[in-house]
Amino acid sequence: DAGITQSPRHKVTETGTPVTLRCHQTENHRYMYWYRQDPGHGLRLIHYSYGVKDTDKGEVSDGYSVSRSKTEDFLLTLESATSSQTSVYFCASSRGTGWETQYFGPGTRLLVL
Amino acid sequence: QQQVKQSPQSLIVQKGGISIINCAYENTAFDYFPWYQQFPGKGPALLIAIRPDVSEKKEGRFTISFNKSAKQFSLHIMDSQPGDSATYFCAASLSFSSNTGKLIFGQGTTLQVKP
Repeated sequence: DAGITQSPRHKVTETGTPVTLRCHQTENHRYMYWYRQDPGHGLRLIHYSYGVKDTDKGEVSDGYSVSRSKTEDFLLTLESATSSQTSVYFCASSRGTGWETQYFGPGTRLLVL
Repeated sequence: QQQVKQSPQSLIVQKGGISIINCAYENTAFDYFPWYQQFPGKGPALLIAIRPDVSEKKEGRFTISFNKSAKQFSLHIMDSQPGDSATYFCAASLSFSSNTGKLIFGQGTTLQVKP
């Protein structure tokens, strides 16, 4: 497995509070992604990064922001958490596009009360 | 047009049987179609992938069949084993024609292989 870790692994928070999830990879991969997984929806892309300080929106980016100041770290921030953001969040990284594999982290389970 | 539709939602197969999961897409520009396998409590992991210039790809007991004209592709698991019990996701991407690698996932299929 690619060395991808996510922290925290579980979090319970209250509506209206900011939350930051961290993804850390040790593979020197250029690309990093944040997905959310919800029943009946599969995985949906929130934001992605194609290099340090280079990020762009995915299909469900409203209410989320990201930052990437180092190759190995990709942070996802919920600016003001809502109950609809209760989900399992997965980070992924890849060396490139084309045939390059996206490797997924173990996930963060977030509950917004 | 960016959607990938996956069926069935759940599947129960006897050990030794064939498991078949189907996906359909709309965007004919997609150029990369991977399948991911996910065990409970784990992140998805790449199982097998195909490009639209071939109609079939086989890796061990896993085969992707691709029908470009119908805009459909499917995963076949031969000689299904209890250890194959997991959730399977198809996906599509413009992986070769763009520099983003963004994956569009299907809804997922939960497979249970009974001993």
